[in-house]
Amino acid sequence: DGGITQSPKYLFRKEGQNVTLSCEQNLNHDAMYWYRQDPGQGLRLIYYSQIVNDFQKGDIAEGYSVSREKKESFPLTVTSAQKNPTAFYLCASRGQGGQPQHFGDGTRLSIL
Amino acid sequence: GENVEQHPSTLSVQEGDSAVIKCTYSDSASNYFPWYKQELGKRPQLIIDIRSNVGEKKDQRIAVTLNKTAKHFSLHITETQPEDSAVYFCAAKPRGSGNTGKLIFGQGTTLQVKP
Repeated sequence: DGGITQSPKYLFRKEGQNVTLSCEQNLNHDAMYWYRQDPGQGLRLIYYSQIVNDFQKGDIAEGYSVSREKKESFPLTVTSAQKNPTAFYLCASRGQGGQPQHFGDGTRLSIL
Repeated sequence: GENVEQHPSTLSVQEGDSAVIKCTYSDSASNYFPWYKQELGKRPQLIIDIRSNVGEKKDQRIAVTLNKTAKHFSLHITETQPEDSAVYFCAAKPRGSGNTGKLIFGQGTTLQVKP
């Protein structure tokens, strides 16, 4: 969906470094989500946010942090505490009224 | 906790044949079941979804069936084409997720359609 933009497409992290993945949407969606995708596994929920200035941990939140200062933006920070950060990260958003989630193109994070 | 099991993990069919992917969910109160298609290196895209008050839904060559008693739902693709080759994910929305829209995803099925 053109309305959800993730950047960068590829990102490399050095040991001990925090990196931030960007997710922006212009769909006026209230809810936003971050998922991690590893080979052979389904999408696992890291964090989600239903409204501005509020967010909740998902199933694998350790080593990650988020913020939701604007409705359009939901950046994810992969901290140095995340010992296995190499993965494909997907951001999604969802409108009201039981609408489905729509995904961005993803960011592939690798360790240098 | 809630869980969704998806089978098979890989599926290879000949062009023109049908493909069926099955998912089983643990929360009997789950009420929404979407299916996503993800081509290599691209975003998952919603291809069809079904709600718990419906037993079957069809959209051209794609159909989804839901068996609430057995707690499983299936994706059926007829007359498969090489462009159907992708990874398919099922998901379920547990009743306890309320208005959060949280989904539990299956592990994915890699479908290969041979010309």
